[in-house]
This record gives sequence, C-alpha cells and structure tokens, in this order.
Amino acid sequence: GQQVMQIPQYQHVQEGEDFTTYCNSSTTLSNIQWYKQRPGGHPVFLIQLVKSGEVKKQKRLTFQFGEAKKNSSLHITATQTTDVGTYFCAGRNRDDKIIFGKGTRLHILP
Amino acid sequence: SQTIHQWPATLVQPVGSPLSLECTVEGTSNPNLYWYRQAAGRGLQLLFYSVGIGQISSEVPQNLSASRPQDRQFILSSKKLLLSDSGFYLCAWSWGVGDTQYFGPGTRLTVL
Repeated sequence: GQQVMQIPQYQHVQEGEDFTTYCNSSTTLSNIQWYKQRPGGHPVFLIQLVKSGEVKKQKRLTFQFGEAKKNSSLHITATQTTDVGTYFCAGRNRDDKIIFGKGTRLHILP
Repeated sequence: SQTIHQWPATLVQPVGSPLSLECTVEGTSNPNLYWYRQAAGRGLQLLFYSVGIGQISSEVPQNLSASRPQDRQFILSSKKLLLSDSGFYLCAWSWGVGDTQYFGPGTRLTVL
C-alpha cells in the first residue's frame, strides 16, 4: 500500500545546531501536515501545506512542500531544548486518507 | 472551541481481561473519529476510524473492536487482552476525511 517514509528515524543535535527531517511519499499528495509530539505527550498539529512548492515559516521552523507534491521537509534553525520531541509528517492521498510517517525523534544535547 | 477527552489516562490490566477505553469530543458535531496505537518510541498505527454513528472502519485485524454509540463518543474495546496490546492509545477527531487531526491526551495501557 501507499507509504509515507520519514527520515531520519532519530537525530541527536547539539543545542544551537540546525535540524531537518524529510518526508517522502510514493504517490502524489493532496496536502501534507506536520505534527509534534513532546515526550510523554500527544501529537499536536503544527502546519498544513497544500500548494506545490509551498514554503511556510513558524519562527525557527521552516516547512517545504515539494514541486511534485511527493516530498516535504521540516527545518529547525538553531535548535533549543524546547524542540525535543518526535516530528511526524502526514500525507493526504487521493482517497482522502491521512497516512502518517513513522516520525523523527529529535534529541537535543545541552 | 473543541476539546477531546480520553479516559482513563493510565491502565494496568492482566492478560485475558476485557478493555474499554472511551473518547469524547465537545464543541463539534459529526466529527470523524480515529483510534491509534503507538508502541513505545514508535509511530502511529491507525486502528479504526468512523465517519458517523455506527459506522466503523477497521484498518488492522486484531482482537480489538470499536463502537460509536453517539455522535461524539468513540469506544475501543477488547474481550481478552494480549500482552501485545500494551501501548499508548490515542483518539483523534477531524472535521472531515483527510483534514487536520486533533489528538486527545491518550491512554497508556500496560498488559501484564
């Protein structure tokens, strides 16, 4: 079946370094959503991208949707300890189903 | 505004015992509802979703079942728990199919 692959699975970065997680779909997506799950918490919606090539920013977070609407990325500039958690992408396919990636767990080294 | 509740927050059950987890949504009508399971340190596995009262779609065959007796109530059940049923169970709602999902606080289930 359709999959949404997310890499890397884990990432350790020094506080202040940048971080990027990538999401790739085997088929074209209608939109892509990003969620953050803090340790011990539940996933919280961050943003949705709809248009081909769309770029959105939330403070230090930059989200991109690929031109072919098959891939996306989340980039965090100058990570802080509050960025710790697991970041999930979720793609909406042509059947209007949301398929979650397996997430990237970000750990910040002080 | 909309809120989603889940209970209990934590649960420890022996193997072979029954299970009932409840999820309710406030502030919206006819939401799409979802049950996910998350194993420790792992991704989200969609178990069931519902687009309306009495309408349940199962994504993964297992010993769990779901019911939606009321518009904003979603229940996850099992007649006999297995060790492999341990995990973090998350309920979510959305306005429509494929829309942004809003998750509840979750239930941590440990089967011993």
